[in-house]
Amino acid sequence: GVTQSPTHLIKTRGQQVTLRCSSQSGHNTVSWYQQALGQGPQFIFQYYREEENGRGNFPPRFSGLQFPNDSSELNVNALELDDSALYLCASSSYTGPDTQYFGPGTRLTVL
Amino acid sequence: RKEVEQDPGPFNVPEGATVAFNCTYSNSASQSFFWYRQDCRKEPKLLMSVYSSGNEDGRFTAQLNRASQYISLLIRDSKLSDSATYLCVVNSYNQGGKLIFGQGTELSVKP
Repeated sequence: GVTQSPTHLIKTRGQQVTLRCSSQSGHNTVSWYQQALGQGPQFIFQYYREEENGRGNFPPRFSGLQFPNDSSELNVNALELDDSALYLCASSSYTGPDTQYFGPGTRLTVL
Repeated sequence: RKEVEQDPGPFNVPEGATVAFNCTYSNSASQSFFWYRQDCRKEPKLLMSVYSSGNEDGRFTAQLNRASQYISLLIRDSKLSDSATYLCVVNSYNQGGKLIFGQGTELSVKP
C-alpha cells in the first residue's frame, strides 16, 4: 500500500518541512492533498513520471518532487499557522481520473 | 460556490435506519464520481464509484444524475460500523486527475 512518513510532526512558524510518500507498487502517479480539520481534502499537486502534472490553488512555497522509484516528497517553506493539517498522499496507475489510493497521512502542527 | 457541496451533518441515526446523503457538483465536465469513507483521523478509503446507471454494493446504493449534477448515497440497515464521514468526490479528465472533495457528511449510528 501507500506509506507516508513521518506520521506526526510539530514545527514552528517560518520553518520548512519535508513530507515523504511511497507509492503503491505499480503506480506511477502521486497526488498530494491537504485536509484541514472539518474539511474535505484539497488538491495540492500531482506528479507523473517525475513532472508536475497539475496544481491546485496553493502558493509556490508548496513544492514537490517525484523520484524514479515513484516515491515523492512534499516540501513546504515558510510555514504558517494555517498550514496545520493532515497531508495525504495518493497514488494511482495513471494520470486519468482513476481510483486513487491514499496513505495514512502526516499530521502537521505549526505553532 | 464550492465545486462539490454535500449535506451538512452530522447525521445521527439508530441502528437499522436508512440514511441518504446528497451531493451536488458545479463542473459539468466532471466525468468520474466516487463516494469515499473516512474514519476519524484516518485516510479516506474508496467506498464505491458512481455510474450513470446507478450501482449497488450490498447495503449501499449510489445514484448519479448528470442533468442535475447530483450524486446520492443510500445506506440501508445502518450498522454501528457505518459511523464515519462520507466524502463525495468528482474528477475530470481535463483537470489531470485532480480529485475534488466535498466537505464530508458525518454519520453517527447509535445502538
